[in-house]
Amino acid sequence: GESVGLHLPTLSVQEGDNSIINCAYSNSASDYFIWYKQESGKGPQFIIDIRSNMDKRQGQRVTVLLNKTVKHLSLQIAATQPGDSAVYFCAENHEYIFGTGTRLKVLA
Amino acid sequence: DADVTQTPRNRITKTGKRIMLECSQTKGHDRMYWYRQDPGLGLQLIYYSFDVKDINKGEISDGYSVSRQAQAKFSLSLESAIPNQTALYFCATSEPSGTGDVGKQFFGPGTRLTVL
Repeated sequence: GESVGLHLPTLSVQEGDNSIINCAYSNSASDYFIWYKQESGKGPQFIIDIRSNMDKRQGQRVTVLLNKTVKHLSLQIAATQPGDSAVYFCAENHEYIFGTGTRLKVLA
Repeated sequence: DADVTQTPRNRITKTGKRIMLECSQTKGHDRMYWYRQDPGLGLQLIYYSFDVKDINKGEISDGYSVSRQAQAKFSLSLESAIPNQTALYFCATSEPSGTGDVGKQFFGPGTRLTVL
């Protein structure tokens, strides 16, 4: 999972499997969370967001789960594809800190 | 056309030179940001601006300055570049989130700066 201050953790997943990327946050006042995807050589790009009045939100092949009790956020990618290979960052609305991110490697 | 553009995309310069990186946006957002990214690491906030008259320092503002010339333009300057400022620099814009300070951000393509 993602933590501020550590070098980039890597998650390797077989093509077609589901991926789960985790993120912990510390600010109890945070009530809006965003996942970004950064492909090599490009700027981060918005994937999905969730507000604190929800526990789950689904997009196209992606689902974000929010557990406010333990201050934990996860991004699930269904049927992972080679194009999903990237670094994934979580962010929250009271902080500008993106953390180190998690590198997702999709194995053929 | 891209909503957030950065110029130049690549720049090589020497220690002690003054460098300006420029950012323009057509999204109509009031909020703009400059980030730095070192290899294998996350994004670090250098400066942010909530409108033309509001400029704020981020985590790592030392050695950098900014200018918000208009709603659409936000420039980052390195007054006297040093080698450890070699990095990838991103500009971003955002709308307010409605509940807090930082909303969904839209990033430019980045400027790769090398200081020799």
